[in-house]
Amino acid sequence: DVKVTQSSRYLVKRTGEKVFLECVQDMDHENMFWYRQDPGLGLRLIYFSYDVKMKEKGDIPEGYSVSREKKERFSLILESASTNQTSMYLCASSLSGVSSYEQYFGPGTRLTVT
Amino acid sequence: QQQVKQSPQSLIVQKGGISIINCAYENTAFDYFPWYQQFPGKGPALLIAIRPDVSEKKEGRFTISFNKSAKQFSLHIMDSQPGDSATYFCAAYKPGGKLIFGQGTELSVKP
Repeated sequence: DVKVTQSSRYLVKRTGEKVFLECVQDMDHENMFWYRQDPGLGLRLIYFSYDVKMKEKGDIPEGYSVSREKKERFSLILESASTNQTSMYLCASSLSGVSSYEQYFGPGTRLTVT
Repeated sequence: QQQVKQSPQSLIVQKGGISIINCAYENTAFDYFPWYQQFPGKGPALLIAIRPDVSEKKEGRFTISFNKSAKQFSLHIMDSQPGDSATYFCAAYKPGGKLIFGQGTELSVKP
């Protein structure tokens, strides 16, 4: 079974702190994604990566950056956390090619910024 | 911005009933239309998907109906069970790897 793990289930940070969210997948997937999930807004794509050291902005990249130094690991960085970044963050991975509509998600990190 | 609009936001169905969730999209350059199911405390998981050249796909109690001319698709859950209670997301897949998700529907199936 594909497994996507996220470093924390719950995280509480203060405004202005730098926050790192880590994601690891064990199925050698080329693509990795970071989403945030908010009630009534669904899942919104922050960034995605289709290869090591490659990244592309999603729909809401402002205030975030990412890093992918190894194929299995994709990190989301909040340079200076703000209260409006309080949310559920979901990492996902997929194969490239025609089957890449099937994304495998981690359990999520609920981040609270106070 | 390309969008996928999903309704209703929440749905309560009696056990044994039919649950219907609807989605509409704005762009024709999508390759697949998947549905994801999310249980509390878990990440979403692929439930069923359809290609735009197919009008219906059925897997067990779950059926996707697709209307290309109307740019609409829907998920039907037959004989709904309390174990189906979850949040459901429709999505549209763009070539290149991106999924665009709907807003989600919280389904509650009452015993």
